[in-house]
Amino acid sequence: QKEVEQNSGPLSVPEGAIASLNCTYSDRGSQSFFWYRQYSGKSPELIMSIYSNGDKEDGRFTAQLNKASQYVSLLIRDSQPSDSATYLCAVNTVAGGTSYGKLTFGQGTILTVHP
Amino acid sequence: GAVVSQHPSWVICKSGTSVKIECRSLDFQATTMFWYRQFPKQSLMLMATSNEGSKATYEQGVEKDKFLINHASLTLSTLTVTSAHPEDSSFYICSSTQETQYFGPGTRLLVL
Repeated sequence: QKEVEQNSGPLSVPEGAIASLNCTYSDRGSQSFFWYRQYSGKSPELIMSIYSNGDKEDGRFTAQLNKASQYVSLLIRDSQPSDSATYLCAVNTVAGGTSYGKLTFGQGTILTVHP
Repeated sequence: GAVVSQHPSWVICKSGTSVKIECRSLDFQATTMFWYRQFPKQSLMLMATSNEGSKATYEQGVEKDKFLINHASLTLSTLTVTSAHPEDSSFYICSSTQETQYFGPGTRLLVL
């Protein structure tokens, strides 16, 4: 079983729709969760971080975390063609109850927003 | 977000040569940096954790003698790919961490 798993995609949504990206993780002790966006040929850029259960909103982006279900998601409202990219879910690896910054990435979901 | 730079942005070299990639944390001091590698259509794979003033910690399966990491100052980590071969061709990305990881722009390596 992969440590961090994302829905396989690719995901295609029309402009203006809501894009929903999902991620599950296996390490129940994980503390920090991140969504990165990666355009083709570029390095990842941080979109959202979330640390506690519930929703966190930033502009058109909402991250949702459910630690009991070991599930984190990203919603993109009013999707734009410029949102077309690969979205990476990343989870902070925790060992011995201490976080030391290592991230484990999912395989990524390719999102295409078509006009 | 934090600014992390990498140099060079791309490099082409002959098989058997060594290539050094620099990663700089420009607006904060980083005791820890990370080196990743990404092959086409794959996700990021952590290679090693670079620790300022001490030895790097390598992930399982990564050859420490082939991928030399030096973190001599709080703002600079270097990755040297020694005796590079075509299978080492990849996108190498570093990150610097201040609670959250910020990535450099990456270095694309092509070994002929």
